[in-house]
Amino acid sequence: DTAVSQTPKYLVTQMGNDKSIKCEQNLGHDTMYWYKQDSKKFLKIMFSYNNKELIINETVPNRFSPKSPDKAHLNLHINSLELGDSAVYFCASSPAATYNEQFFGPGTRLTVL
Amino acid sequence: QKEVEQNSGPLSVPEGAIASLNCTYSDRGSQSFFWYRQYSGKSPELIMFIYSNGDKEDGRFTAQLNKASQYVSLLIRDSQPSDSATYLCAVRGSNYQLIWGAGTKLIIKP
Repeated sequence: DTAVSQTPKYLVTQMGNDKSIKCEQNLGHDTMYWYKQDSKKFLKIMFSYNNKELIINETVPNRFSPKSPDKAHLNLHINSLELGDSAVYFCASSPAATYNEQFFGPGTRLTVL
Repeated sequence: QKEVEQNSGPLSVPEGAIASLNCTYSDRGSQSFFWYRQYSGKSPELIMFIYSNGDKEDGRFTAQLNKASQYVSLLIRDSQPSDSATYLCAVRGSNYQLIWGAGTKLIIKP
């Protein structure tokens, strides 16, 4: 009965590799988000999709590419991983783009060696 | 650049006392304000939110807005050790995007 789920929970990889993180929500929400939280705990929005359509695309390296196959899923693919990509990545969802009550997934801790 | 600022803390409060957390925001047009709690190693969870038309109380938690001074407060009455966490303030900007503060770490001492 998990509301927002992410896989994997932990991801350890070498510099230069390509990896993906998957997110699914069963809340029936229209809007989903990807956030990056660095070691200082600052939450930074990366992308947002509303009904499979990209609505927020912050200044993020183009090595990061989101994909939303349907409104319940939002995946994040990262090419050519760098040390600075190490962080916790959170997926979140909200009922609509205009509703900011966001519900977060458990996070994926990415460590780039 | 629209900003939300919080004192990083840690804020140490004795058990049973009132914990007061503050956050200031720069966008005078903001109308929605959110408080999230994040335990160490966990994801943020929404505690409460208020709109620009008034304060809100929910159990031991009260959120208050001071529009003139552009800050929002979260008061936690009868603080418990389980309230120890980082509290994140978020403000909705004009494009509906949430602008986040860096959080205040709260420690409740038994």
